[in-house]
Amino acid sequence: AQKVTQAQTEISVVEKEDVTLDCVYETRDTTYYLFWYKQPPSGELVFLIRRNSFDEQNEISGRYSWNFQKSTSSFNFTITASQVVDSAVYFCALSGTNDYKLSFGAGTTVTVRA
Amino acid sequence: SAVISQKPSRDICQRGTSLTIQCQVDSQVTMMFWYRQQPGQSLTLIATANQGSEATYESGFVIDKFPISRPNLTFSTLTVSNMSPEDSSIYLCSGKWAGTEAFFGQGTRLTVV
Repeated sequence: AQKVTQAQTEISVVEKEDVTLDCVYETRDTTYYLFWYKQPPSGELVFLIRRNSFDEQNEISGRYSWNFQKSTSSFNFTITASQVVDSAVYFCALSGTNDYKLSFGAGTTVTVRA
Repeated sequence: SAVISQKPSRDICQRGTSLTIQCQVDSQVTMMFWYRQQPGQSLTLIATANQGSEATYESGFVIDKFPISRPNLTFSTLTVSNMSPEDSSIYLCSGKWAGTEAFFGQGTRLTVV
């Protein structure tokens, strides 16, 4: 069984602060994918990033960066210089490489205040 | 990624009735899924919609309650049958190709009164 844990329920920051979202996962699969999705107040689910389990290279994409550590089963996500438009619920998710079914964490609500 | 359109976007239904949600993708996709998001909660997979055959349901979800069709590679429907207030949720359709990320429709907000 797969499990994704997002321990942070809510995070509130002032604009321009950095925000780091924690994600810990459990899986018996040897290969898998990890994802971050964003759900703004309008409700649609927006894909942000994907990582393959065999690629632990951490990257930066614009204001987004992620830290994937297989040894600790963690896949943390950082928003640099946050903006009000970043206010949303952020979901970490995990899927296998055979059925691609997504298991979502509980979500972290990020509020960025002007 | 492709674009997914869901209809209706929202509805208010009487208990005991059924609602069919349509999901249309603007290109052929390998896989389609239906998820449920109860108020203030995360997303839970209901089933994988299989083209031309019966859907594959997750634990806790049954075909009699959530019949699903997928007649081709771009279209699927989810019916929520004999609704009760506990069925009030956002229902999301998802599509993907193998090796890519899943993309989602805007969801159907269902309220059962």
